[in-house]
Amino acid sequence: EIVLTQSPGTLSLSPGERATLSCRASQSVSSNYLAWYQQKPGQAPRLLIYGASSRATGIPDRFSGSGSGTDFTLTISRLEPEDFAVYYCQQYGYLITFGGGTKVEIK
Amino acid sequence: QITLKESGPMLVKPTQTLTLTCTFSGFSLRTNGVGVGWIRQPPRKALEWLGLIYWDDDKRYSPSLKSRLTITKDTSKKQVVLTMTNMDPADTATYYCVHRLGASFFDSWGQGALVIVSS
Repeated sequence: EIVLTQSPGTLSLSPGERATLSCRASQSVSSNYLAWYQQKPGQAPRLLIYGASSRATGIPDRFSGSGSGTDFTLTISRLEPEDFAVYYCQQYGYLITFGGGTKVEIK
Repeated sequence: QITLKESGPMLVKPTQTLTLTCTFSGFSLRTNGVGVGWIRQPPRKALEWLGLIYWDDDKRYSPSLKSRLTITKDTSKKQVVLTMTNMDPADTATYYCVHRLGASFFDSWGQGALVIVSS
């Protein structure tokens, strides 16, 4: 099983700042089958990024994904008030696993 | 537009079997490559993948829960059913069903169904 470790657990930032979230895999993720989801309280997760760097339909370009192999990053270039949420990475190259999440909170 | 909705009991007793139904629209489980999966999330915890069923009846399960899970489909009713045996309070969670196309990500999610395991 591929274990995904997200860091930091919590990120305290102000609106307008840049957020950098990390997702590290215990072994290489095949074909960069890595996705990112955003989840707000009381809601189902929403797909943001797939294939490590492709934005899903309707996702603003302030969200970007990068990385390959075992190290992946989600970057939010300038935080908007609606971006404060929990973010999960997921690998779908071999079975499916999720990371433990990073909470982006208002400082 | 793809929609999915989970339904089932909100409360089950320890050792009982949980049966949840996912009713979907906007796609067909007869279409090559289409799959429906289940994911759960205990309160204030992370997401956990449970299993998947594909258009050709191929099934995949989480290795840690495989012995307790069964996923079936009724293509004509547009439903997928998750069965989990020997429920425990640790299985208390919101259970989501999701749409998947091929070996890819989950592009559509149901609203989730909260299941509480308690005597």
